[in-house]
Amino acid sequence: EVQLVESGGGLAQPGGSLRLSCVASGFTFSSYAMSWVRQAPGKGLEWVSGISGSGGSTYYADSVKGRFTISRDNSRNTLYLQMSSLRLEDTAVYYCAKDWAVTPYFFDYWGQGTLAAVSS
Amino acid sequence: QSVLTQPPSVSGAPGQRVTISCTGSSSNIGAGYDVHWYQQLPRTAPKLLIYGDTNRPSGVPDRFSGSKSGTSASLAITGLQAEDEADYYCQSYDSSLSGWVFGGGTKLTVL
Repeated sequence: EVQLVESGGGLAQPGGSLRLSCVASGFTFSSYAMSWVRQAPGKGLEWVSGISGSGGSTYYADSVKGRFTISRDNSRNTLYLQMSSLRLEDTAVYYCAKDWAVTPYFFDYWGQGTLAAVSS
Repeated sequence: QSVLTQPPSVSGAPGQRVTISCTGSSSNIGAGYDVHWYQQLPRTAPKLLIYGDTNRPSGVPDRFSGSKSGTSASLAITGLQAEDEADYYCQSYDSSLSGWVFGGGTKLTVL
């Protein structure tokens, strides 16, 4: 059974940082791309960042480029999102999502999400 | 303002058929990129409903179907049930943005 468990959310000040983690199980982690997708309170889904199975290719939405860094540790089956220079509009539930393929395509499994709140 | 445009809401009575549209442009759906659909029940994570325009993952009832033509795609739900009440999102790739994009979402209400 595929499981994705996010952690690391919490409260941060504008300009601050947070690091999200997602521990995966139930599949060969290194064989699949992974992404972070966020959902602001009462709003729709927004793709944030993706990473290939090997970690050699990374992708970012324009809204977070230069501020967020996605990475993965295939030996620990863990996906990360380092969020810096946080803004109020980064407040959202962040979902970790497994991709169907080795490079981002579509998301066949999702975690339960972790809330990152940016407030002064 | 989402790159993929969906109606904010649709509704139907139990047993009826409803469709949800997803309109894109020449840099995403019109460029031939696949469209995928997700269902998000209240207070839960999204769930994959349709992938590659028309394909259903194992376990998704055949009441759900997808189609695509030109710069638009559609999700059809037949034999509407109360448990189908949820938010539905389309997703594709956009070459102008070099990234993956979602529609704004459509709230389905079962009357």
